[in-house]
Amino acid sequence: SAVISQKPSRDICQRGTSLTIQCQVDSQVTMMFWYRQQPGQSLTLIATANQASEATYESGFVIDKFPISRPNLTFSTLTVSNMSPEDSSIYLCSVLDRAYGYTFGSGTRLTVV
Amino acid sequence: AQKVTQAQTEISVVEKEDVTLDCVYETRDTTYYLFWYKQPPSGELVFLIRRNSFDEQNEISGRYSWNFQKSTSSFNFTITASQVVDSAVYFCALSEAGTDKLIFGTGTRLQVFP
Repeated sequence: SAVISQKPSRDICQRGTSLTIQCQVDSQVTMMFWYRQQPGQSLTLIATANQASEATYESGFVIDKFPISRPNLTFSTLTVSNMSPEDSSIYLCSVLDRAYGYTFGSGTRLTVV
Repeated sequence: AQKVTQAQTEISVVEKEDVTLDCVYETRDTTYYLFWYKQPPSGELVFLIRRNSFDEQNEISGRYSWNFQKSTSSFNFTITASQVVDSAVYFCALSEAGTDKLIFGTGTRLQVFP
């Protein structure tokens, strides 16, 4: 199955700033997914990033707040913009390998102060 | 719309007890996949099983077993002879063939005490 390298693993950021999270996959994948996991909560899908088109956002998430780039089939970034303490969460990227299912990055633990 | 319900928020057992984690799902699709993931305190997601909607056979892997029943839209997970290392949050998840989106249940926190 695919191997995902996600960076950074954790960060502490000041409110009002932005953080860009990177995911590098060791093989070409069509679809990448970005999730948020708020403290003590489940994983919520933020958006689906298809290399051929703009990212598709789930209800409650907007591009201005969570811009996503997908420049090629092995790489994607998620930016958390104009951060507030409510954005403190774990952010995970994921890819779908139809043979093996979903693979997840190790996550980025973000704390906004 | 797809939905996954894990009614048990938290379960505590003593080591060597058997424990079953419930998962009930909703989907309009006839083709879908069900998953279980384990999230230990370290935070990473550990894949446990994937089952497609056309395969209702129960599965056993060591101390783990899964019972898939389409008639009740359930995909329950049983740990036999639980161990302290089984302590984690367990997520059930569903993806529909049409969208490929993976939707998670709210998770069940399992604590196994020695």
